[in-house]
Amino acid sequence: EPEVTQTPSHQVTQMGQEVILRCVPISNHLYFYWYRQILGQKVEFLVSFYNNEISEKSEIFDDQFSVERPDGSNFTLKIRSTKLEDSAMYFCASSDGTRDTQYFGPGTRLTVL
Amino acid sequence: KNEVEQSPQNLTAQEGEFITINCSYSVGISALHWLQQHPGGGIVSLFMLSSGKKKHGRLIATINIQEKHSSLHITASHPRDSAVYICAVGGYGGSQGNLIFGKGTKLSVKP
Repeated sequence: EPEVTQTPSHQVTQMGQEVILRCVPISNHLYFYWYRQILGQKVEFLVSFYNNEISEKSEIFDDQFSVERPDGSNFTLKIRSTKLEDSAMYFCASSDGTRDTQYFGPGTRLTVL
Repeated sequence: KNEVEQSPQNLTAQEGEFITINCSYSVGISALHWLQQHPGGGIVSLFMLSSGKKKHGRLIATINIQEKHSSLHITASHPRDSAVYICAVGGYGGSQGNLIFGKGTKLSVKP
């Protein structure tokens, strides 16, 4: 069964460093999403992406965040200058359409020291 | 902004029991999702529904659009059902993909 994959599974970085989280969505999906979950809190929407551009973003997704689909398979989330409060689990998801089931990747645990 | 409330927050059941988890939301939606989060953190989509009822194996999800309420039922619960169950809602138009999540219900099924 096709699945969403994410790398790395765990990333440790120093405050102020740039990190890139990578996702490979399901191949025929058109809509891509990033979510985050701070430890012990609920999952929060960050951004949705369709047709090579951001379709919607939350208040959390400020100028330090960016997303890119550099080729036909990868979907990346870049955090330019990490802060301690960016420590969280980041989930990528993809779907056929906006009203379709979203398939989630296993997540990347980001730890900012 | 939609507020998503789940109840109960924590639920302990004996194997074989019938389980109900509830979700209510404050603003009209295009679809409601039930998700399962395993202890390791991974999230699996169980159902997406916009009306009526869906069934998959021992899981049943219902939604009442007028009352802005959904329930997830697990029949003949098993210890492997132990997980956090999350309700998430999608809005209309461009925000359909922007899911708003509940805090989750932590289910523990004892053998």
